[in-house]
Amino acid sequence: GESVGLHLPTLSVQEGDNSIINCAYSNSASDYFIWYKQESGKGPQFIIDIRSNMDKRQGQRVTVLLNKTVKHLSLQIAATQPGDSAVYFCAENDKGAQKLVFGQGTRLTINP
Amino acid sequence: KAGVTQTPRYLIKTRGQQVTLSCSPISGHRSVSWYQQTPGQGLQFLFEYFSETQRNKGNFPGRFSGRQFSNSRSEMNVSTLELGDSALYLCASSLVLTGMGTEAFFGQGTRLTVV
Repeated sequence: GESVGLHLPTLSVQEGDNSIINCAYSNSASDYFIWYKQESGKGPQFIIDIRSNMDKRQGQRVTVLLNKTVKHLSLQIAATQPGDSAVYFCAENDKGAQKLVFGQGTRLTINP
Repeated sequence: KAGVTQTPRYLIKTRGQQVTLSCSPISGHRSVSWYQQTPGQGLQFLFEYFSETQRNKGNFPGRFSGRQFSNSRSEMNVSTLELGDSALYLCASSLVLTGMGTEAFFGQGTRLTVV
C-alpha cells in the first residue's frame, strides 16, 4: 500500500522462531510484488518477489504468500536470526501509475 | 557484478543552495528510479528515467529534477533547498521500466541534511 506517514509497526520475535510480516496492498490490478529488507544506514535490499499468477514462492529461509482475494501479502522468515533485524517493506507494481508503491514498513526485532 | 552506486553518501547543505546526487546503475540496467525516504512519509517516488528520457514523475515540486546519460548513469538535482528536503535519497536500477513488473535494486542512498 501507499506510504501515508503512519507509525512504523513493529514485530518482536525470539531468535530461532519463525517470523511473519504482513502487508496489505492497495491496487487489485497490481501484478508484481517485492519484499525488501532495510538495515540501519543502508538502502533497501531485494529479498524475494512474486507475480500475481502465483500464491506462494519460496527462497532461502523466506516464503512469500499472496492472497489476491483480500489483497494481502506476507513474508515468512524461518528460524529468525539476529541478522534478520531490519525494517521490511513490501512493494507493489502499480500498473496504472507505472511505478512501484511501497508499504509503510515493519520493524523486526530479534530477542536473544 | 557491481551493485548500484550512489555518490556522495552524505551531504550537508544550507537552505537555498542546490545539490546534485549521482547514481550508477547495475551494468546492463537501463532504468533508474529515484525515491525520497523520510521517517514520516516512508519511500516516496520522485521520477524514473529510461533511455535518457523521464518516463514517470511523482508528486514533487519542480525544484526536483533529474537526467540520465547515455551510459544509464543518472543524476538528480534539488534547487533552492528547504529544511524539509532533508532525507535519504535512494536510487533503484532495473533492466526495464519498473511499471513492467521487474526486479529493482537499490543503492545505499545519499543522506542529505539541510541546515
